[in-house]
Amino acid sequence: EVQLVESGGGLVQPGGSLRLSCAASGFTFSSYWIYWVRQAPGEGLEWVANINQDESKKYYVDSVKGRFTISRDNAKNSVFLQMNSLRAEDTALYYCARGSQGSNDGPGGYWGQGTLVTVSS
Amino acid sequence: DIQMTQSPSTLSASVGDRVTITCRASQSISTWLAWYQQKPGKPPKFLIYRASILESGVPSRFSGSGSGTEFTLTISSLQPDDFATYYCQQYNSYSLTFGGGTKVEIK
Repeated sequence: EVQLVESGGGLVQPGGSLRLSCAASGFTFSSYWIYWVRQAPGEGLEWVANINQDESKKYYVDSVKGRFTISRDNAKNSVFLQMNSLRAEDTALYYCARGSQGSNDGPGGYWGQGTLVTVSS
Repeated sequence: DIQMTQSPSTLSASVGDRVTITCRASQSISTWLAWYQQKPGKPPKFLIYRASILESGVPSRFSGSGSGTEFTLTISSLQPDDFATYYCQQYNSYSLTFGGGTKVEIK
């Protein structure tokens, strides 16, 4: 069974940092794109970042470029999102999702339950 | 960046109704479009990809169509389980974007 479990969320002050983790199981992790998608309270979905199988391709939404860094450890079946210089507008539920084995096709059918990030003083 | 605009933002319908949701792209995305369904407190559920291909296990009352800049998601006969929010998402460019969502409510 494919599983994605996010962790690392919490309450942080503006300007602070958090590192989100996504632990994957039930599939050959190193063969798939992985996505981070967020959802602010009561709002819609927003793609945040994604990474390909060997980390040679990493993409970010403009609003987080220079502040967030996506990475992965294929030996540990995990993907990470390092979030620095956090702002109130980064407050959201952050989902990890599995993409395809091929191209940058989007999140697809497997998502975690999300981890909540709250940026507030 | 490619912008995705969904309409309507809210839709009131009854069980058995035929429901159509529209998604427009700010530039041509061929058929690089997906649809998701989301219920409160749950992650999105993947419904359709390549604009019209139904994901395995998705009921056949769901269908997608369109290409270029205009796309539709149709539910042929709305069921109680279908009351939810629906999102389109383009993957034509490396920068992915979601539509703003359409909430399907009980009339």
